[in-house]
Formats: sequence, C-alpha cells, structure tokens
Amino acid sequence: TQLLEQSPQFLSIQEGENLTVYCNSSSVFSSLQWYRQEPGEGPVLLVTVVTGGEVKKLKRLTFQFGDARKDSSLHITAAQPGDTGLYLCAGGSGNEKLTFGTGTRLTIIP
Amino acid sequence: DTEVTQTPKHLVMGMTNKKSLKCEQHMGHRAMYWYKQKAKKPPELMFVYSYEKLSINESVPSRFSPECPNSSLLNLHLHALQPEDSALYLCASSQDSGRITYEQYFGPGTRLTVT
Repeated sequence: TQLLEQSPQFLSIQEGENLTVYCNSSSVFSSLQWYRQEPGEGPVLLVTVVTGGEVKKLKRLTFQFGDARKDSSLHITAAQPGDTGLYLCAGGSGNEKLTFGTGTRLTIIP
Repeated sequence: DTEVTQTPKHLVMGMTNKKSLKCEQHMGHRAMYWYKQKAKKPPELMFVYSYEKLSINESVPSRFSPECPNSSLLNLHLHALQPEDSALYLCASSQDSGRITYEQYFGPGTRLTVT
C-alpha cells in the first residue's frame, strides 16, 4: 500500500513569514501533484512535477520533487492570509488513481 | 472551460430516501471520479470511470451506485444511506488514459447530510 505522509499536520504562522510543507513516502511515484483546498470547496490543482529533482515556482510558492521521486516539498515565501487552506500532495503511478497525502492545514494570521 | 460543476451544493436526506448527485465537465476528459471527504481528512476515492466504463470501485457499499451516461456526465445514486455517510462528495475529471500524469480537476462538492 502506498502512503504519503505530510508534515506538519497543522501550521499557524504570521503574515510575512516563510514556511515549508513536506510530503514523504517510501514508494516511488511517476508524478506528484499539489492541491490547495478551502473549506467547503473542492481541491484546486497548484502544480504537477514529474522529474526527479524538478523545481517549479508559482509566484511565492516553490515546489520540489525529490531526486528519487519519493518525496516533495512546498515552500511559501512571505505568506499571506490568502494562502490559508488545506494543502494536499498526491502521488500518481501512471494510471487514473492518485494517492493523497494526509494533508497540512495552514493558517496565516494577519 | 476548466470547470467541473456539481449539483446540488447541499443535500439533506433521510435514511429511506433515494437521491442523486450530479457532476458535469466539458474539458474532453475521459476519466471521471467520485471521492468522499470527511472533515479534516484527505479525499477518499470511491469510483473511477474511464471512457465511460467503471474501472475502479474501491469496495464501496452498494447503497452508492455510480452511473456515467456519457463522457461529460457522472451521477452518484444514493439509497438507504446511514448517518456516517454524511460527508463532502467530490467529483473530479482528468485527461485521457495513457498519460504519465493524471491531473485531476475537482468540482466544488456536494455537502451531504443523512438524518
């Protein structure tokens, strides 16, 4: 069974601070996606990484896929209240099924 | 159009009722999904349809019955549900089979309460 563990589970920081969320597994994935979900809404796709060591930037968000394609990180610079939400990583194995991570609930305090 | 729509937004039903959840996408995606999400948990996969055929059933109880009338529509028929089935039900779609990545696009969900 493939598992994706995210850490931390909860994170509450002040506006303007930096943070990193981690997504770890003992399994290799062919792709890794990050989603953000706000209360009562569906997850929104932020990014997909497919190559070991790949780094993608989306404004203040930086995503990295581990060299062995077993882990990923999301770094946010100068966090803003609009970054508040549930962050989910999800691993793909080349078929329709995604393995979702355990989730990180992020709160940015104005 | 990168939108997945779901109706209704909210649904309250009794344990003897029969209701249906609906999902629609116009992105040409050939894979469609139903997920169940409990509060503060990640989505749990229920069903996957690929090219309008059921390809994955994650051992979901028969009181949940999926249907894919065509490539743009996905329904979830509900009958004799239990209070523990109360959750956010999410629909998603993704691009054609044969790709390495299956980026899933989610609808806003249906908040279901079973009384």
